[in-house]
Amino acid sequence: QLQLQESGPGLVKPSETLSLTCTVSGDSITSSRYYWGWIRQPPGKGLEYIGGIYNSGSTYDNPSLKSRVTMSLDTSKNQFSLKLTSMTAADTAIYFCVSDFWSGYPYFDYWGPGTLVTVSS
Amino acid sequence: DIQMTQSPSSLSASVGDTVSITCRASQTISSYLNWYQQRPGKAPKLLIYAASTLRSGVPSRFSGSRSGTDFTLTISNLHPEDFATYHCQQSYTAPRTFGQGTKVEIK
Repeated sequence: QLQLQESGPGLVKPSETLSLTCTVSGDSITSSRYYWGWIRQPPGKGLEYIGGIYNSGSTYDNPSLKSRVTMSLDTSKNQFSLKLTSMTAADTAIYFCVSDFWSGYPYFDYWGPGTLVTVSS
Repeated sequence: DIQMTQSPSSLSASVGDTVSITCRASQTISSYLNWYQQRPGKAPKLLIYAASTLRSGVPSRFSGSRSGTDFTLTISNLHPEDFATYHCQQSYTAPRTFGQGTKVEIK
């Protein structure tokens, strides 16, 4: 069974860049079965898909984030990472890393516990 | 983007009741619809994928169905641990999108 764990700062200043890392155990991030993704949830609100990265390094990010997203893999540490630039208060949210299972019908099958990121000066 | 509209946004029910939550897609998504359960302070968990396939280990009191672009999650014989928020999500096309969530509360 996969386990995922987010790590990163809980507080980011406006206009700065958020950097989060997800450590995966139970499978290799080079697995062909998965994309590795990020989802966020503003306090008390719904879920928003940020984007994902495949073992080839190919990525997809949500156009709503207007090219602020960069994702990468570190196969030596079995980790993947997210960078989100130009942070504002609207980016305050719980950030989840997820395994995005690419079967005939894709779904997010394992989630990290989430990390709260607050944007404030 | 495909819009996913859940109804109701919240409902109150008692242990042992049967409840249904609806999710409507703004365009066809075939059966590319997943349901997640989120308990307070926790990450969502996958319950159902492909509209009606129960994830291994999920109790059989959970079921999903599809009628065109309308999808329904039904929970029979509500248990205390079922009081949570439920989210639908389409995986038909990018970007993946979620419904706004339905909170199932104890009456």
